[in-house]
Amino acid sequence: DQQVKQNSPSLSVQEGRISILNCDYTNSMFDYFLWYKKYPAEGPTFLISISSIKDKNEDGRFTVFLNKSAKHLSLHIVPSQPGDSAVYFCAASASRTGANNLFFGTGTRLTVIP
Amino acid sequence: GAVVSQHPSRVICKSGTSVKIECRSLDFQATTMFWYRQFPKQSLMLMATSNEGSKATYEQGVEKDKFLINHASLTLSTLTVTSAHPEDSSFYICSARNRRLPYEAFFGQGTRLTVV
Repeated sequence: DQQVKQNSPSLSVQEGRISILNCDYTNSMFDYFLWYKKYPAEGPTFLISISSIKDKNEDGRFTVFLNKSAKHLSLHIVPSQPGDSAVYFCAASASRTGANNLFFGTGTRLTVIP
Repeated sequence: GAVVSQHPSRVICKSGTSVKIECRSLDFQATTMFWYRQFPKQSLMLMATSNEGSKATYEQGVEKDKFLINHASLTLSTLTVTSAHPEDSSFYICSARNRRLPYEAFFGQGTRLTVV
């Protein structure tokens, strides 16, 4: 049962434009959300996170938005750069339950076209 | 950010042999380490959670006698794939939790295992 879903397997964006990656979750116990970037044959690299007490977190070109009522979060990258081309995973954690593990979505492959 | 080193990055072994993968946290103490497996075009699937000094907790469907996990110290966890078969071929990734940032996980580079 996939508790974290990324329904778009791929996304292509022109350099300089905005990239929007979406993620939905089903478990209402999730209270901490993270985005990771992954290149082939490498481990994921942490990008940005957001706690459920916030609805927005910004770090440079990356902004994560959280809509708790819709159980939806999104990652905005602006402006997009060719080096952003990678697979992006969203992940969720139910920290209040004391559980340690992260639940991952299936990933979205972003291609930024120069 | 915190650094997690995983070794080897790539290994090819014969069916029936065992392979050990190491995961080290280089600049922080990791009380908890996680082992994931990723099949092509699929998500990262948690295999097991290991806590330093205690037995690992395996996810449903993961054979603990086949995937031996040892978390001998606060900076080292190992995954041994025993009696490997071709269907064990996959990309294995470890991650570690940093006490200072308990809700984030830092990942190793991953290990591509090919069993022939």
